[in-house]
Amino acid sequence: SAVISQKPSRDICQRGTSLTIQCQVDSQVTMMFWYRQQPGQSLTLIATANQGSEATYESGFVIDKFPISRPNLTFSTLTVSNMSPEDSSIYLCSVVHRDRFPYEQYFGPGTRLTVT
Amino acid sequence: AQSVTQLDSQVPVFEEAPVELRCNYSSSVSVYLFWYVQYPNQGLQLLLKYLSGSTLVKGINGFEAEFNKSQTSFHLRKPSVHISDTAEYFCAVSDRGSQGNLIFGKGTKLSVKP
Repeated sequence: SAVISQKPSRDICQRGTSLTIQCQVDSQVTMMFWYRQQPGQSLTLIATANQGSEATYESGFVIDKFPISRPNLTFSTLTVSNMSPEDSSIYLCSVVHRDRFPYEQYFGPGTRLTVT
Repeated sequence: AQSVTQLDSQVPVFEEAPVELRCNYSSSVSVYLFWYVQYPNQGLQLLLKYLSGSTLVKGINGFEAEFNKSQTSFHLRKPSVHISDTAEYFCAVSDRGSQGNLIFGKGTKLSVKP
């Protein structure tokens, strides 16, 4: 398994501001993903964080709104830019180990974001 | 595009009763199937997975699931639930040709009452 931490665990932000969420893993992983879980909804994949290159975004998500960095094999950040109340969600990162692809994803505890 | 349907948003049961949480997926292509559990204020934890082979898969905490290709279903079962099983359960699917992206159902909230 993998131990994954996310910072912050929760935040309340004002409309129009940006928040950067950090995801740290205790071991090197093959892939890192960012998901969004809106209230009462399922998890939706935002993007795959690629080490040393631009993230791969899913339909409906763009880099200007959700810039992602992954400088190494154990760390990634997701920024939620120019926030609106519709961005209020739980944001989760997940990882896949290099020797267990693509079978098991491990999830972080999530960041609960409220935009007022 | 692949989609996952969890037919029940909430399932209340009494302790020690059996439970079945239903999951259907849309695509007929080869897939990997997963069940995750999310306890209150915690992250997702993998319960069990189907990759290939036997259609009956056993997971942690006494849960099992059966893959039914003809019905494109992957229902989760437990013969006797405990209060501690109260949580939200998510079914997820990954196409075999993908990079491991998971498509999730909307989740089923299992509430176990004494």
